[in-house]
Amino acid sequence: EPEVTQTPSHQVTQMGQEVILRCVPISNHLYFYWYRQILGQKVEFLVSFYNNEISEKSEIFDDQFSVERPDGSNFTLKIRSTKLEDSAMYFCASSGQGAVNEQYFGPGTRLTVT
Amino acid sequence: QKEVEQNSGPLSVPEGAIASLNCTYSDRGSQSFFWYRQYSGKSPELIMSIYSNGDKEDGRFTAQLNKASQYVSLLIRDSQPSDSATYLCAVNGGSYIPTFGRGTSLIVHP
Repeated sequence: EPEVTQTPSHQVTQMGQEVILRCVPISNHLYFYWYRQILGQKVEFLVSFYNNEISEKSEIFDDQFSVERPDGSNFTLKIRSTKLEDSAMYFCASSGQGAVNEQYFGPGTRLTVT
Repeated sequence: QKEVEQNSGPLSVPEGAIASLNCTYSDRGSQSFFWYRQYSGKSPELIMSIYSNGDKEDGRFTAQLNKASQYVSLLIRDSQPSDSATYLCAVNGGSYIPTFGRGTSLIVHP
């Protein structure tokens, strides 16, 4: 069964450093998303991406964040100048043309900012 | 502000019983409703979607939607210890972006 994959599974970085989180969505999906979940809290939407551009973004997704689809398979989230409060699980998700609302999540990247 | 409310639990049920999980939402214009299961330290897994009033059954799971009451529920029949997880309710308004509740922790004890 096709699945969303994410790398790395765990990333430790120092405050102020840049990190890139990588995702490979399900191959025939066209809509891509990033979410984060701070430990013990709810899943929060960051950004959605369709047709090579951002379609929606939340208040959390400020200038510190950017997304890119550098090739036909990868979808990346870049966090510039990380802060302690960026420590969270970051989930990538994708959905297909026929069921846009039904999103399938990757296993997540645990980001720890020290 | 769109809100999705769930009782955090934990909801504890014996093996073989029916577990009933509830969710209310604030946006009356919401159109799509989802239940995700999240094991500790893992990602959300989509288990049910429902778009119209009434019941939708899939195996041991039944989702129930009442738009007039702004209420959606998930029933798990013949609960198993492997069903122990946090169940997230997610609701879409006019976009494809769901608002998630905080989740209800379910414990199924043998």
